[in-house]
Amino acid sequence: AQSVTQPDARVTVSEGASLQLRCKYSYSATPYLFWYVQYPRQGLQLLLKYYSGDPVVQGVNGFEAEFSKSNSSFHLRKASVHWSDSAVYFCAVSIFNTGNYKYVFGAGTRLKVIA
Amino acid sequence: EAAVTQSPRSKVAVTGGKVTLSCHQTNNHDYMYWYRQDTGHGLRLIHYSYVADSTEKGDIPDGYKASRPSQENFSLILELASLSQTAVYFCASSGWASSAETLYFGSGTRLTVL
Repeated sequence: AQSVTQPDARVTVSEGASLQLRCKYSYSATPYLFWYVQYPRQGLQLLLKYYSGDPVVQGVNGFEAEFSKSNSSFHLRKASVHWSDSAVYFCAVSIFNTGNYKYVFGAGTRLKVIA
Repeated sequence: EAAVTQSPRSKVAVTGGKVTLSCHQTNNHDYMYWYRQDTGHGLRLIHYSYVADSTEKGDIPDGYKASRPSQENFSLILELASLSQTAVYFCASSGWASSAETLYFGSGTRLTVL
């Protein structure tokens, strides 16, 4: 079955440090890949998405993600985090299923940035 | 800018009662979705709709009904609320059901069933 795994439920980093949030997917073909962010008391917002081309894709607010076909992964990175990056980050894939495209979301990683 | 608004922001319901969650979008999008978010789980699709007056079952439709009276409005109905339906519910819209389509989310409704 198709699935998205985010192995880290919680991550704490110091402000100014680098960040990597991990995501692995299970799907027979290469799906469209997404990262969404959920700030407190808000809905999810798109950070970036990828399907083909350069395996490193740039997103908003200095985020980028790298696709690895061999590892079936799509890890999110940021060189220097800010306290405002504290949020829940969701990895998702878009797959074709029963006549329609549908999203499959990971469980999310809660990021806490400390001073 | 795309806008999806949900009401109410939070609700407390009694077991066995009827609950209606509402969603309104001003994006002129054809597709609308209801997701459920539980701690430790990703968002799971309950119902979706791609045209007014028509709804489709998602991955976890049991115990839920949906209604799409117009392109802008999409409701989620719990006829007999149960404790297990305590969760945060998100509505989303998209212009198309393509693989690359971005979902635009509302701020969510926190439902507590007692």
